[in-house]
Amino acid sequence: NAGVTQTPKFRVLKTGQSMTLLCAQDMNHEYMYWYRQDPGMGLRLIHYSVGEGTTAKGEVPDGYNVSRLKKQNFLLGLESAAPSQTSVYFCASSYQSWWGTEAFFGQGTRLTVV
Amino acid sequence: RKEVEQDPGPFNVPEGATVAFNCTYSNSASQSFFWYRQDCRKEPKLLMSVYSSGNEDGRFTAQLNRASQYISLLIRDSKLSDSATYLCVVISLYNFNKFYFGSGTKLNVKP
Repeated sequence: NAGVTQTPKFRVLKTGQSMTLLCAQDMNHEYMYWYRQDPGMGLRLIHYSVGEGTTAKGEVPDGYNVSRLKKQNFLLGLESAAPSQTSVYFCASSYQSWWGTEAFFGQGTRLTVV
Repeated sequence: RKEVEQDPGPFNVPEGATVAFNCTYSNSASQSFFWYRQDCRKEPKLLMSVYSSGNEDGRFTAQLNRASQYISLLIRDSKLSDSATYLCVVISLYNFNKFYFGSGTKLNVKP
């Protein structure tokens, strides 16, 4: 039962470097999300996807790009990392049904930008 | 204004105590409501959904007041293992399942 898997789990970047975070889910969920969590701020939505090939901006999209070329994968890219992007990043997925839904989370990626 | 607001706590309570958390939400079109639990440095996990009629799961009771736009969580007979951060979550099922999270309420249960 893999569920939602994020890689890497930890990363340290220098300012200006780029990187890609990978999220993979094996539950055939349509919806996928990238959140960041900072102390006292809760989880804030960066980008989300409602299906393969579609993405949309969330609350805090600046400095990030995403792609969903395959239904099971959702990639988050940092083009030019900044110290303000130091955070814990969570990927999540959910299904849609008439009775409701639930968000399933990956284990998180702790990113430090120095 | 934040979509979901919670008292950050911490709530420090002795084992066996009853503790209650509230959360308010701003979007009256919100349709589904949840409480998630997050342990330190771990991912959030679903604790329970919140229904209009209120629902109970063992020592946990969740209630929704749509008129006042708030959600509550009651924990009875607190255990040490209940120590965690509790996140209030609202979504609109007709808005691409966007989940809006409160910043969380920290609970410390002491021996």
